[in-house]
Amino acid sequence: RKEVEQDPGPFNVPEGATVAFNCTYSNSASQSFFWYRQDCRKEPKLLMSVYSSGNEDGRFTAQLNRASQYISLLIRDSKLSDSATYLCVVNIYGQNFVFGPGTRLSVLP
Amino acid sequence: ETGVTQTPRHLVMGMTNKKSLKCEQHLGHNAMYWYKQSAKKPLELMFVYNFKEQTENNSVPSRFSPECPNSSHLFLHLHTLQPEDSALYLCASSQGQGGFQPQHFGDGTRLSIL
Repeated sequence: RKEVEQDPGPFNVPEGATVAFNCTYSNSASQSFFWYRQDCRKEPKLLMSVYSSGNEDGRFTAQLNRASQYISLLIRDSKLSDSATYLCVVNIYGQNFVFGPGTRLSVLP
Repeated sequence: ETGVTQTPRHLVMGMTNKKSLKCEQHLGHNAMYWYKQSAKKPLELMFVYNFKEQTENNSVPSRFSPECPNSSHLFLHLHTLQPEDSALYLCASSQGQGGFQPQHFGDGTRLSIL
């Protein structure tokens, strides 16, 4: 089983739609979690950290479910500019960050 | 604006050339990383430096040689590369190796081997 798994997509959604991605991780000792977005041929950019109690940043909501070992990202009111690949990152303190393969999102007009 | 700067942005080189990629971070971080990303593939971790000491070499061929003179600078020396080495090379930094703070990436160097 891979350390971090994501549905590669693509998720094709119309503008204004709500879309959710999940990311599962295999190591129960994982301690910190992040979502990044990566545009085509560009570097990954931090979207948000994921906190145990869940957190929201504008249209984006991140959740952590330790019991089932997954994190989620919810995007409300999708914009064309949200089209990108969304990377899940998991970390155990003192070890390396582990990146998921990414989920591709296309928001259609 | 990124606190991690990579140069050059683009590099085309022949298989017999020697070149170096440079990364500089202005964030006061202690850990720096090199990643490779081939077209439509996930990030591959290459090297990790923590407080200037190499802590990870992810089975990278010796034609890639990293150098970390201080916590703010990281180099990747390239020599006799192969066409399959064409990729986006990304540098990242973080407060500690695998800490609770996230990594920050540079814009990357797009490398093409002729």
